[in-house]
Amino acid sequence: DQQVKQNSPSLSVQEGRISILNCDYTNSMFDYFLWYKKYPAEGPTFLISISSIKDKNEDGRFTVFLNKSAKHLSLHIVPSQPGDSAVYFCAASARGQGGSEKLVFGKGTKLTVNP
Amino acid sequence: EAGVVQSPRYKIIEKKQPVAFWCNPISGHNTLYWYRQNLGQGPELLIRYENEEAVDDSQLPKDRFSAERLKGVDSTLKIQPAELGDSAVYLCASSSRRTEAFFGQGTRLTVV
Repeated sequence: DQQVKQNSPSLSVQEGRISILNCDYTNSMFDYFLWYKKYPAEGPTFLISISSIKDKNEDGRFTVFLNKSAKHLSLHIVPSQPGDSAVYFCAASARGQGGSEKLVFGKGTKLTVNP
Repeated sequence: EAGVVQSPRYKIIEKKQPVAFWCNPISGHNTLYWYRQNLGQGPELLIRYENEEAVDDSQLPKDRFSAERLKGVDSTLKIQPAELGDSAVYLCASSSRRTEAFFGQGTRLTVV
């Protein structure tokens, strides 16, 4: 049973336009959500996060929105750039033993930004 | 600041052979994770350490996989014997309390 779902395996957008990546989760215990970006042959790199006490977090061109009632979050990239082309993973966590967090990942969405 | 370091980057072995992966986390990070990523999938947790204690190993196939984190710093993940289905990218990550996890570049294992 997948607790974090990214239903779109791929997304293609034009440079300068908005990219919207979506993520749904099922576990109501999740209280922290993250987006990671992954280039080929590299490990995932942290992009942006949001706590369950917020509904929006913005960092430059990247904004994450959280809708707790719908158990849905989305990542907006505006404007999209060719260098944003990568696989984006949504991840969620619930506080575990000792205060550390177990991350549960979605399957990822491959974003292609066309020049 | 140095990131999470993993070695080797790539490993090709025959089935039934043993293999080991090494991870050096970011200095000061108490939490260390080993994830496995299959092609087209997201990373899946194998084991999570708090210092030297394995606090979550429920997803670790204990018949063939083992891990250790001596002195709460470096960690090794071992597979013995390897099977064809173990081919994947093995990712190590570390974090401090309530911060995001930082990942290494991973070890791509191919079992032939």
